[in-house]
Amino acid sequence: AAGVIQSPRHLIKEKRETATLKCYPIPRHDTVYWYQQGPGQDPQFLISFYEKMQSDKGSIPDRFSAQQFSDYHSELNMSSLELGDSALYFCASRNTGELFFGEGSRLTVL
Amino acid sequence: SQQGEEDPQALSIQEGENATMNCSYKTSINNLQWYRQNSGRGLVHLILIRSNEREKHSGRLRVTLDTSKKSSSLLITASRAADTASYFCATVPSGNTPLVFGKGTRLSVIA
Repeated sequence: AAGVIQSPRHLIKEKRETATLKCYPIPRHDTVYWYQQGPGQDPQFLISFYEKMQSDKGSIPDRFSAQQFSDYHSELNMSSLELGDSALYFCASRNTGELFFGEGSRLTVL
Repeated sequence: SQQGEEDPQALSIQEGENATMNCSYKTSINNLQWYRQNSGRGLVHLILIRSNEREKHSGRLRVTLDTSKKSSSLLITASRAADTASYFCATVPSGNTPLVFGKGTRLSVIA
């Protein structure tokens, strides 16, 4: 069965650079969530979209933005990267039931 | 964490033993879910228990929920080395609001 696809799986950036993470939800899932998980930390909710509109906002920094496109895929854009942005970024999708998570994108900021 | 606190933070047991992990949360909830995460991998949904349920079973998993104490426990019976992972509880405060995760328990099952 198709799962949530995230790309890239690994990304290395320098401080102050920008990065874009992509998420392709499970087909027919209309809701996408983004989470950030620092080393040894629990996942922190960043932002979510339902039917291409932002539905909830969590602890997403102002330097980050996200959107959901007409094909339901979502992108998380991160600018002016800081060392503390190094983390695993998870995308999850759902229709009416449980959340399904992707394998995550590991961002390392040097 | 904004919601769940898990106890213990780390647990090491022998294969065949039972593992119990606890989770406490702060606000009222719609449901509580448990997830498993292998190191550096994605989160896998294990089981969901609704606020009006007290206990639920799925294979070797048993989850209890005490809404009066705002706590839940996950019991893994007859543990296997392959159960080694981090386990997170996550709550849905209301409706379709996003999951709020606890800090997780790192379980090591020694063969």
